[in-house]
Amino acid sequence: GAGVSQSPSNKVTEKGKDVELRCDPISGHTALYWYRQSLGQGLEFLIYFQGNSAPDKSGLPSDRFSAERTGGSVSTLTIQRTQQEDSAVYLCASSPGTRGTEAFFGQGTRLTVV
Amino acid sequence: GENVEQHPSTLSVQEGDSAVIKCTYSDSASNYFPWYKQELGKRPQLIIDIRSNVGEKKDQRIAVTLNKTAKHFSLHITETQPEDSAVYFCAATPVIARFGAGTRLTVKP
Repeated sequence: GAGVSQSPSNKVTEKGKDVELRCDPISGHTALYWYRQSLGQGLEFLIYFQGNSAPDKSGLPSDRFSAERTGGSVSTLTIQRTQQEDSAVYLCASSPGTRGTEAFFGQGTRLTVV
Repeated sequence: GENVEQHPSTLSVQEGDSAVIKCTYSDSASNYFPWYKQELGKRPQLIIDIRSNVGEKKDQRIAVTLNKTAKHFSLHITETQPEDSAVYFCAATPVIARFGAGTRLTVKP
């Protein structure tokens, strides 16, 4: 596609439910990142995938959060047993993977836990 | 992993003045230093970047300077305009993962 695509753009869920957020990176990009951005806050790193290497999960805030990347392309971020503090915009970015290259961001998924 | 500190957290300037945002990093292996601009309700977008083999880069009203010895780099915006109002984020790589906390720039007409 022309850019990084995320779906859904908005998600409202009840506390305790599981949610899945999807990211379609730019074709050919081997690096994929997930970030969380709470209202008025910065970009909180969650997880990083690079090719076939083991992902860097050091930013995941709890074991309720997990992510996978199938076939080196599409990625899914799963949040289990959602809590109100999980409400935020979840941003995905991809880059060609060569060290020192621009990362392109998706438009984000706004998650609201009620 | 890389630790990036960004200052100030907020910056307010009059239209036409200059604005400077500074970042420091910890990993001496970092060799790529991008700056992203995020307008309200939009996604972050790259505005300028610099690699470790140069000390300064300019693009019209925007410039970035790098001091590898001191491990800091700065974003300079000259002749600021209201449309420069946004949040600016820095990062230091070799791998883009963690960003600075951001600087909210307000340009007052």
